[in-house]
Parts: sequence; structure tokens; C-alpha cells
Amino acid sequence: AQKVTQAQTEISVVEKEDVTLDCVYETRDTTYYLFWYKQPPSGELVFLIRRNSFDEQNEISGRYSWNFQKSTSSFNFTITASQVVDSAVYFCALSRSGGYNKLIFGAGTRLAVHP
Amino acid sequence: ETGVTQTPRHLVMGMTNKKSLKCEQHLGHNAMYWYKQSAKKPLELMFVYSLEERVENNSVPSRFSPECPNSSHLFLHLHTLQPEDSALYLCASSPDTGTHYGYTFGSGTRLTVV
Repeated sequence: AQKVTQAQTEISVVEKEDVTLDCVYETRDTTYYLFWYKQPPSGELVFLIRRNSFDEQNEISGRYSWNFQKSTSSFNFTITASQVVDSAVYFCALSRSGGYNKLIFGAGTRLAVHP
Repeated sequence: ETGVTQTPRHLVMGMTNKKSLKCEQHLGHNAMYWYKQSAKKPLELMFVYSLEERVENNSVPSRFSPECPNSSHLFLHLHTLQPEDSALYLCASSPDTGTHYGYTFGSGTRLTVV
């Protein structure tokens, strides 16, 4: 069975702090895709990144970086020098290769960045 | 404005009412989805449509009835709902149902059943 676990329910930081959001996944597939989405107070989920299971290179996009480690089935997300606008709920998701595009989401981590 | 538009943004309905949620996408995508987001629970996939054909019904009660008249529009018809159906209902689309695509989400409809 496929499962995504985001153990951190809520995180509170002060602006300019670095913060890491954890994501651990379970799958028996050898080919799969991992995603991160951001849900601001407005409600829509905003796509941040997609990573396939064969690409373990870490990725950096501005203040955002992602650390994918197959050995520990983790796909962690780090925000460097956090800002108030980063306050949102962040979801990690898993999708299998083949079949219908069915994303399995974690429960989400609510990040509050205080000035 | 996102490529996926949902209306209404907020809806309050009684348990005996009938209402519909609307989703529209202008991205040229062929697959559309309904998700339910309840407090303290993970996002739950409800329905998947591919080229107007329902390809998945994730054990959703019959009081939720989806309709996809064309690849740009998706409806969720609601009738005789229960208070526990109160949630944020999110519509999403993707180019097709291939799993390497992420979704584009709408802003959701916040539904309250009284």
C-alpha cells in the first residue's frame, strides 16, 4: 500500500529562520513520483516540485530546497530564511507510475512564520 | 487567477437541499478530479474523470453525484447531505491521467451543511 506521512502537524518559526518539513513515504513501486504542494489561506494548492524516483539529486529553487533520499524513503523540504508569506499548509504527495494519476497526500504541515 | 475556477467559494446548505458545485478549467487538460479536504484529515480523492468519462469513484456515497459534460467543466451535485460532509471541496485538472503530471488545483468550495 502507498502512504505518505508528515509527522509535523504544525511548525512555528520566526522570520529569517530556516525550517525543514519532513515527508516519509511508503510504496512497493520501483517507479513513482513525489510532489510538494503549498496551500495558502486562499485555499488552492499550489504545485511546488515534482521528483521521479530515479532522480535523487537535490534541488534548489531560490529559498526552497528539497532533499530526496530513497534509502530512508524521505523527501524533505527546507525553506531558508523564512518569510511571513511562507505561512501556509504544505502537503507532500506520492503518485505511482502507470494507472491513473492518483496522488496520495500526506496530512500536511501547517507552517506559521511570525515577524 | 488560477487556470481552474471553482464556484461558489462558500456554500451553506441544509440537509434537505440540493445544490451543485462547479469547476471550470481553461488549461486544455483532459483529466479532472474532485477531492475532499476535511479538518484534521488528509485530502481524499473522490472522483477521477478522463475525457468526460468517470474512471474512478473512490467509494463515495451516492448523495454526491459528479457530472462532466465536457473536458473543461466538472460538476458535483449534492443532495441530502450530512453535517459530516462539511469540508473544502477541491477540483483539480491535469493534462491526462498519466502519473507523472501534477495537478492544477482550484481554490475550492467551502461547504457547510447545517
